[in-house]
Amino acid sequence: AQRVTQPEKLLSVFKGAPVELKCNYSYSGSPELFWYVQYSRQRLQLLLRHISRESIKGFTADLNKGETSFHLKKPFAQEEDSAMYYCALSPNTGRRALTFGSGTRLQVQP
Amino acid sequence: NAGVTQTPKFQVLKTGQSMTLQCAQDMNHEYMSWYRQDPGMGLRLIHYSVGAGITDQGEVPNGYNVSRSTTEDFPLRLLSAAPSQTSVYFCASSYSRHPLRNEQFFGPGTRLTVL
Repeated sequence: AQRVTQPEKLLSVFKGAPVELKCNYSYSGSPELFWYVQYSRQRLQLLLRHISRESIKGFTADLNKGETSFHLKKPFAQEEDSAMYYCALSPNTGRRALTFGSGTRLQVQP
Repeated sequence: NAGVTQTPKFQVLKTGQSMTLQCAQDMNHEYMSWYRQDPGMGLRLIHYSVGAGITDQGEVPNGYNVSRSTTEDFPLRLLSAAPSQTSVYFCASSYSRHPLRNEQFFGPGTRLTVL
C-alpha cells in the first residue's frame, strides 16, 4: 500500500527566507505526486503536480525517485504563503485514489 | 459554475442517529470522492465513484454508505453515527482519474460532531 509522510507539522520562517516542505512517499510503482494547499478560509486546492514540471506562485517540487521524495521549495517566502500544505500521491494503475500526507502548516512571519 | 457544493456546513448528531451529507458538482466531472480530515492524519479516502452507478470503497469505508445515481450528486450516508465519526468531511471531484485530468476540486467541507 502507498504511504505519504510529511515529517513537520509546523514550519515557521521569516519573510524572504527560503522554504522547504518535506514529503516522502512509499510506493512500489511509479506514482503521480501532487502538492495541495489550503489558505485560511479557503478550499483545499491544487498547487502543483510533478508531471507538469511547473512553478506556481514561486514554488517548485522535484520528484526524486531514488530518495522517494517530493519536497516543495520556494527561494523567498512571502507572508501570503502562510497556509496548510498537503503532499498527495496517486498510483498510475488501478483505482488511482489519492493518498494524502498529514500536512504541514507553514507560517511566514513578517 | 458553483463548483463543488456541500450541505450542511455544520451538524451535531447523537450516537445512533442517521444522516446524509450532500455533495453536488456542476462541472460534469466523472470522478467524485469523500474524505474525512482528522487532526494529525491528513485526508483519508472514505468512498469514491468513477461514474454514475459505480462506487467503490476507499481507505476507511466502515460506517458509511454512498450511491451515485446521477453524475452531479454523490451523497454520503451515516447509518448509525458514532463518536469516532466526528470529523470534517470533504467531497471532491475531478474530470477523470487519469494524469493531467485528475486535479481534484474540493467542496468547503462539513464539520460533523457526534455526541
